Amino acid sequence: QSVLTQPPSVSAAPGQKVTISCSGSSSNIGNNYVFWYQHLPGTAPKLLIYDNNKRPSGIPDRFSGSKSGTSATLGITGLQTGDEADYYCGTWDNSLSAGVFGGGTKLTVL
Amino acid sequence: QLQLQESGPGLVRPSETLSLTCTVAGASISSTSYYWGWIRQPPGKGLEWIGMIYYSGSTFYGETTYYNPSLKSRVTISVDTSKSQFSLKLNSVTAADTAVYYCARLSGTYYSDYWGLGTLVTVSS
Repeated sequence: QSVLTQPPSVSAAPGQKVTISCSGSSSNIGNNYVFWYQHLPGTAPKLLIYDNNKRPSGIPDRFSGSKSGTSATLGITGLQTGDEADYYCGTWDNSLSAGVFGGGTKLTVL
Repeated sequence: QLQLQESGPGLVRPSETLSLTCTVAGASISSTSYYWGWIRQPPGKGLEWIGMIYYSGSTFYGETTYYNPSLKSRVTISVDTSKSQFSLKLNSVTAADTAVYYCARLSGTYYSDYWGLGTLVTVSS
């Protein structure tokens, strides 16, 4: 049981937009920055979004992040087949004094 | 370019201690701007945060560690600045500890911007 809650899967057609939600509490998302990773099998997770809505160098602006209260959202526009991956949200939890992740969301581009 | 590389046994017997080392190249592990941590992914499951260490750069303040509460009783993370390495020890392992283990650099707001390639550790007799 993950501390952060994500939908197990989402899907959309190429070129479309998809959003992935991440729900937490005041001890984690509500009072800390959220980050998002893209994870392809056999590779290391790739940082997509940090500090709620910032993109590292090299990440296209098709990827966006937002946070409101105790929830966060990852948005991906102009979906490509190469975007098929698992996506994880994460943050710090003040009560646990530890990092926490969501359970991951599998994106399928139909 | 910062690079991290995990090393250690790929097979550990149940009840024994899992030991991994992460070698850091291209940046100073003594930097007080970052944490150094471990994250794992069991087969077919999601990412699990194991813990991290912060090196203060001061022998007076030493190092600070943070651990996943569910693993805290079994985990130790340490750093060897002379070798530019940090290590993970997980004792009393069971099959549930079988996973790909990643080492990573963590920022002040706890995201990991650099990762090792990961190493699969199997717990089996």
